[in-house]
Amino acid sequence: GAVVSQHPSWVICKSGTSVKIECRSLDFQATTMFWYRQFPKQSLMLMATSNEGSKATYEQGVEKDKFLINHASLTLSTLTVTSAHPEDSSFYICSARGLSGNSYNEQFFGPGTRLTVL
Amino acid sequence: QQQVKQSPQSLIVQKGGISIINCAYENTAFDYFPWYQQFPGKGPALLIAIRPDVSEKKEGRFTISFNKSAKQFSLHIMDSQPGDSATYFCAASFYNQGGKLIFGQGTELSVKP
Repeated sequence: GAVVSQHPSWVICKSGTSVKIECRSLDFQATTMFWYRQFPKQSLMLMATSNEGSKATYEQGVEKDKFLINHASLTLSTLTVTSAHPEDSSFYICSARGLSGNSYNEQFFGPGTRLTVL
Repeated sequence: QQQVKQSPQSLIVQKGGISIINCAYENTAFDYFPWYQQFPGKGPALLIAIRPDVSEKKEGRFTISFNKSAKQFSLHIMDSQPGDSATYFCAASFYNQGGKLIFGQGTELSVKP
């Protein structure tokens, strides 16, 4: 099946620093990638949708200047949390949707990245 | 209008029993309804999905029942096993919005041996 990887799997950083998380589709081309945030015991909250080569579309209430998303190729999207603060500590998960075909609407999720801001 | 409501929040089932999780939606434009399984510290994994032109879909021990008129769908896990203990999320999406998924609140399932 389709595989999506994330790197790093966990990261600890100091308040005020920036952290970059990578999301890669390993065996398919992802026209669209999604970034989610999940707090403990809660559901996934969509942060933004990114299409290769174009600007990301952010959900209401998500600060685009704080969460920078780049979808530079059909296999790589990055999320950069700028000037991170303790309240940004969360589990960040990406997903990828491939080209049309049998995988209609199907999204493949990465394993997630645990961010802890001290 | 874009909400998906999921119940129950938590569920305890004996090994071998049937686990049933329900979801309801409002927006009739949704055209894809997947269920995801998530283990602690891991990303969600697609279990099974259905489109609204089908009333039921079965894959192994997992079955989705879909009631279009009631705008409800449910996941049935037959012969539940301790390894099924996880959090389950229903979701809905429509193609015209780029396949964006709207998730339910999640159900924490515990299967007792």
